[in-house]
Amino acid sequence: GAVVSQHPSRVICKSGTSVKIECRSLDFQATTMFWYRQFPKQSLMLMATSNEGSKATYEQGVEKDKFLINHASLTLSTLTVTSAHPEDSSFYICSAAGTYTDTQYFGPGTRLTVL
Amino acid sequence: DAKTTQPPSMDCAEGRAANLPCNHSTISGNEYVYWYRQIHSQGPQYIIHGLKNNETNEMASLIITEDRKSSTLILPHATLRDTAVYYCIVRVRSSNTGKLIFGQGTTLQVKP
Repeated sequence: GAVVSQHPSRVICKSGTSVKIECRSLDFQATTMFWYRQFPKQSLMLMATSNEGSKATYEQGVEKDKFLINHASLTLSTLTVTSAHPEDSSFYICSAAGTYTDTQYFGPGTRLTVL
Repeated sequence: DAKTTQPPSMDCAEGRAANLPCNHSTISGNEYVYWYRQIHSQGPQYIIHGLKNNETNEMASLIITEDRKSSTLILPHATLRDTAVYYCIVRVRSSNTGKLIFGQGTTLQVKP
């Protein structure tokens, strides 16, 4: 149990375009989803917390207009990187917790490369 | 900032027990100790968590000192597939407010 998926696993895009990453909880209802970013050789950094049906709460220094988060259902959250630039290239990872368990379970991650 | 301190790296021989220490001297009474690990280029994997009693599951054992200021994760028979970065995190046990703040973790290298 407690499986979280992400799509796509890898994406390459041109500078200035927008990219959407999906995070799904496959076997439980996720009342809360979290989005992290990880640069090479660094630890995970929490970007934002989203509760189903509510606006996301962003960590200090994370631009909410650049990283749009939607958590419209108990099984799906999306992160849209708007007007992506090369410095946004990173490993984006989501996690989910909820009615089944308050332990956070992580997705496999999405590798974003902006050219 | 992370509220835990871990050694940056450790080695372990395959088949032997791996004991990974963690200091969390400022842990609050309502905070749990969680352990995750991250194998290269994958999302973190939940291992185990505990409050004050020792815990064991199919993956590992967690030993928490009586004063709760430190803990040890034990992988009883390490395999090459256990090579990963191990993160010790303290958090409030709540689905919507219990953030996970990752430190640098311990890179465990299991050697043949």
